[in-house]
Amino acid sequence: DAMVIQNPRYQVTQFGKPVTLSCSQTLNHNVMYWYQQKSSQAPKLLFHYYDKDFNNEADTPDNFQSRRPNTSFCFLDIRSPGLGDAAMYLCATSSTGTETGELFFGEGSRLTVL
Amino acid sequence: RKEVEQDPGPFNVPEGATVAFNCTYSNSASQSFFWYRQDCRKEPKLLMSVYSSGNEDGRFTAQLNRASQYISLLIRDSKLSDSATYLCVVGLDNYGQNFVFGPGTRLSVLP
Repeated sequence: DAMVIQNPRYQVTQFGKPVTLSCSQTLNHNVMYWYQQKSSQAPKLLFHYYDKDFNNEADTPDNFQSRRPNTSFCFLDIRSPGLGDAAMYLCATSSTGTETGELFFGEGSRLTVL
Repeated sequence: RKEVEQDPGPFNVPEGATVAFNCTYSNSASQSFFWYRQDCRKEPKLLMSVYSSGNEDGRFTAQLNRASQYISLLIRDSKLSDSATYLCVVGLDNYGQNFVFGPGTRLSVLP
């Protein structure tokens, strides 16, 4: 069973039309991440939540916002998508209480901007 | 200097070959180390955690050299299904929050 679930798997939007991507997890992990991955590049961290504490990366544009209403859910809001925001968006979780602390990824949401 | 660097690739090898990937990291305080595998248009999946003592899982062997700040992945008897991008991931702390990704090395195993 999937432990990190992302919806939608594929999202097509128009230039400037807001988009929300969701992520839910059944692992009860306290840390949740959003990564952006473009073709042939490594995932790029946008921000992460450590419990309720929001940690934004310095180079994440203001166009990207996030919400974590509870432990299980996290949302990525793209307020005004541009053509350059077309990418795979990966949600991941980790736990600070585990021995190895690896990242668990969802299957990703692929965003197309027309 | 990038925080995590990997062999640029791509690696094109015949089935049955042995292939080794290298990864170096710049932060000597790094605490945890991983190899992830990512298939085309899929999410990264954990292949192996890497420990100082080295670890092996079937055809895969990972090594960590803290003194040289170097991680390796060896794949023996490569299969067509091993074709993927291999990402070296370094955890900067023991708190499970800060991970740095290498750029990835692409492997194609050819029939």
